[in-house]
Amino acid sequence: AQSVSQHNHHVILSEAASLELGCNYSYGGTVNLFWYVQYPGQHLQLLLKYFSGDPLVKGIKGFEAEFIKSKFSFNLRKPSVQWSDTAEYFCAVNGPHGGGYNKLIFGAGTRLAVHP
Amino acid sequence: NAGVTQTPKFQVLKTGQSMTLQCAQDMNHNSMYWYRQDPGMGLRLIYYSASEGTTDKGEVPNGYNVSRLNKREFSLRLESAAPSQTSVYFCASRPGGQSYEQYFGPGTRLTVT
Repeated sequence: AQSVSQHNHHVILSEAASLELGCNYSYGGTVNLFWYVQYPGQHLQLLLKYFSGDPLVKGIKGFEAEFIKSKFSFNLRKPSVQWSDTAEYFCAVNGPHGGGYNKLIFGAGTRLAVHP
Repeated sequence: NAGVTQTPKFQVLKTGQSMTLQCAQDMNHNSMYWYRQDPGMGLRLIYYSASEGTTDKGEVPNGYNVSRLNKREFSLRLESAAPSQTSVYFCASRPGGQSYEQYFGPGTRLTVT
């Protein structure tokens, strides 16, 4: 079955530290990749997405992600986190398997807590 | 634009009761989705509607039914609620075609006692 793995369930950082959250998916073939963020008590918002082209994708609020096809990975990075980045982060993928491009498969999420 | 709206925001049910969660979008999107979110499990797809008039099962459809009432509205019904259905429910929509990103509603927090 298709799956998306997020390696860290909980991450605690101090402000100004660098962030990298791992995401691996299990498909082959052409995929579309997404990172969503959920701030406390709010709904999911799109942070960034990769469909094709430059594998380094820049999103909102200084986040970026790199698609490495050979590693089936799409890791999220931010050079310097702020307290306001405290949230849960979800990696999601769609692809040609299972229900196809109609459906997103989500990882379990990573809770990030940033301390001042 | 309100985007994706959901009602109610909170609900407490007793085991065996039924209820319908409502979702509407004003973005003229073709596809709509219902997810449940449980701690440590991410979002799991319950049902989706690729276009008006069609619905399909997702990963965890048991105990739920859906209705795509029209292009705007997609409801989720629990016929006989169980404690295992305690969760946060999110509705989402996407334009369709090759626009794959989904837009989410604010969620409904459901507790079944």
